[in-house]
Amino acid sequence: EAGVAQSPRYKIIEKRQSVAFWCNPISGHATLYWYQQILGQGPKLLIQFQNNGVVDDSQLPKDRFSAERLKGVDSTLKIQPAKLEDSAVYLCASSLSNLRNTEAFFGQGTRLTVV
Amino acid sequence: AQTVTQSQPEMSVQEAETVTLSCTYDTSESDYYLFWYKQPPSRQMILVIRQEAYKQQNATENRFSVNFQKAAKSFSLKISDSQLGDAAMYFCAYRLLYGGSQGNLIFGKGTKLSVKP
Repeated sequence: EAGVAQSPRYKIIEKRQSVAFWCNPISGHATLYWYQQILGQGPKLLIQFQNNGVVDDSQLPKDRFSAERLKGVDSTLKIQPAKLEDSAVYLCASSLSNLRNTEAFFGQGTRLTVV
Repeated sequence: AQTVTQSQPEMSVQEAETVTLSCTYDTSESDYYLFWYKQPPSRQMILVIRQEAYKQQNATENRFSVNFQKAAKSFSLKISDSQLGDAAMYFCAYRLLYGGSQGNLIFGKGTKLSVKP
């Protein structure tokens, strides 16, 4: 079974530029998560999708971050404009659902450096 | 709000020996899941072990076991017969089971485990 695919693996941009990350979840997984992991910290949820609908985006900085999950499959996370403090690893995870007995599987993440 | 605390930024263990990583959490819920994840340099989070709060029996997975103390809100991970491949960041996580954020994981800051040959 193919895992969660993310691209790119690395990205370096200047502040105020825009950037987009892509995630392809495991086939059949209805729930998709984006987490932000700042160096030295644990991942923090940015947004959760159930199919193509947003379940929780309470911690997403909506003035600069946006995310979509077209057709309930692939998802993109965009930052515009980027700030220095956005430097982090962005992890995508998916699960069959958000119910209790389901496991979340993570991708390898995208490391973003804003200079 | 739920919080997860890992008080050991770094730990070291000799190969073949046993090490215990600590985790405490805070919640007002009685039903939840707790996890330990391993994150190697490849950055991919790998599930090590899961504990369901309503189960009194501590979970075990081969060389990995937990000491779950619900009243104390403590959830430690014991790694027996440590191997070089166990070297990684280890994260304790709490999973929300109810409400609008159902399914979300709340992570601690992690413990970096080194294994000495």
